[in-house]
Amino acid sequence: EAQVTQNPRYLITVTGKKLTVTCSQNMNHEYMSWYRQDPGLGLRQIYYSMNVEVTDKGDVPEGYKVSRKEKRNFPLILESPSPNQTSLYFCASSFRGTARNYGYTFGSGTRLTVV
Amino acid sequence: QKEVEQNSGPLSVPEGAIASLNCTYSDRVSQSFFWYRQYSGKSPELIMSIYSNGDKEDGRFTAQLNKASQYVSLLIRDSQPSDSATYLCAADLVAGGTSYGKLTFGQGTILTVHP
Repeated sequence: EAQVTQNPRYLITVTGKKLTVTCSQNMNHEYMSWYRQDPGLGLRQIYYSMNVEVTDKGDVPEGYKVSRKEKRNFPLILESPSPNQTSLYFCASSFRGTARNYGYTFGSGTRLTVV
Repeated sequence: QKEVEQNSGPLSVPEGAIASLNCTYSDRVSQSFFWYRQYSGKSPELIMSIYSNGDKEDGRFTAQLNKASQYVSLLIRDSQPSDSATYLCAADLVAGGTSYGKLTFGQGTILTVHP
């Protein structure tokens, strides 16, 4: 089944404890990106990647890191989480923008709580 | 000014009616537009994408794009209670004629279809 898989689905952690949210897609998509969704603020892009080793900042990159060492994986790293990073996180992937079937598929989401 | 704006609603329509959802964008280089549906607690699902001026139809859904007016809309014909969800408009910002996958979302419009 074609899908974007995020893990974990739920995570409660303490301030300052490094964590990684994994994202993997099995559709050979070039583009991958991370979003956070907060009430009243909508979906905001954190980082995006056009291909392996090519990443760039989205609208809210502060406090986050990403890497794209393999085409299928795009982990989101919080080196020192803070309570303001409590949010619902989504990973998404797509074929490149020139493809006829360009359009993002989203993962199921990761609900992160930082206490 | 937000780059992508939607009326947050809620928009309420009776079953069987046409629901009209609207979205405006401020960046003239935006080239690709997407409509997503998101049920409460779930991830966004792609409904339609539109790149060219005019209408694009897919089943009960019609997307309309007017680049001169910087306006995108989604019409849902024969609305069903199962269409009740939040509808998200997204614009792909393009630089140098190439999409980089930097999507910007509107805040979403809540649609309620009542029996």
